[in-house]
Amino acid sequence: KAGVTQTPRYLIKTRGQQVTLSCSPISGHRSVSWYQQTPGQGLQFLFEYFSETQRNKGNFPGRFSGRQFSNSRSEMNVSTLELGDSALYLCASSPRGSFDTEAFFGQGTRLTVV
Amino acid sequence: GENVEQHPSTLSVQEGDSAVIKCTYSDSASNYFPWYKQELGKRPQLIIDIRSNVGEKKDQRIAVTLNKTAKHFSLHITETQPEDSAVYFCAATSGGYQKVTFGTGTKLQVIP
Repeated sequence: KAGVTQTPRYLIKTRGQQVTLSCSPISGHRSVSWYQQTPGQGLQFLFEYFSETQRNKGNFPGRFSGRQFSNSRSEMNVSTLELGDSALYLCASSPRGSFDTEAFFGQGTRLTVV
Repeated sequence: GENVEQHPSTLSVQEGDSAVIKCTYSDSASNYFPWYKQELGKRPQLIIDIRSNVGEKKDQRIAVTLNKTAKHFSLHITETQPEDSAVYFCAATSGGYQKVTFGTGTKLQVIP
């Protein structure tokens, strides 16, 4: 069974631009959640999607948005990029819930904003 | 919302010694507590988890304890090995749709 796949692995963007990250969950998993990982803040929850609906949202500004498609693939979009958005963005998939069972992480997308 | 505090932020132990990492949480409704291990440059992976109706769980050299009254849970690694060196994250989940909050991580170094 293929694992969680995130694309691209690395991105360099300029302040003010927008970016879209993609996450393909494990086949059969309906829940996809997104996290921002930075050295100082650890792993911070962005949002979770289940069957194309956002069920949970963390404390991030509206510049961070996402969506999920009918095949459970998910995208995350960040608009008007700021230097502080530089981070590793991880997605995780699980069969049904955000974290009521094991969640499987992707390798992440390393975003650098210059 | 939920707040999870994790201590210590760094931990160095000699190979063969035990390591203990502690987390506290604030939401008494939290009911699932996973621990993730993240090796350098790799993705986080679940190493053990515990649910609120259980006080302790073991898996070979790893154990987790949960004290619901005090709202804290701990990871215990015995007979540490160099390959245990990694960053460990605790997490707590609560709510109908299991909103998750992670601790800030503990960097464990096992010295051969």
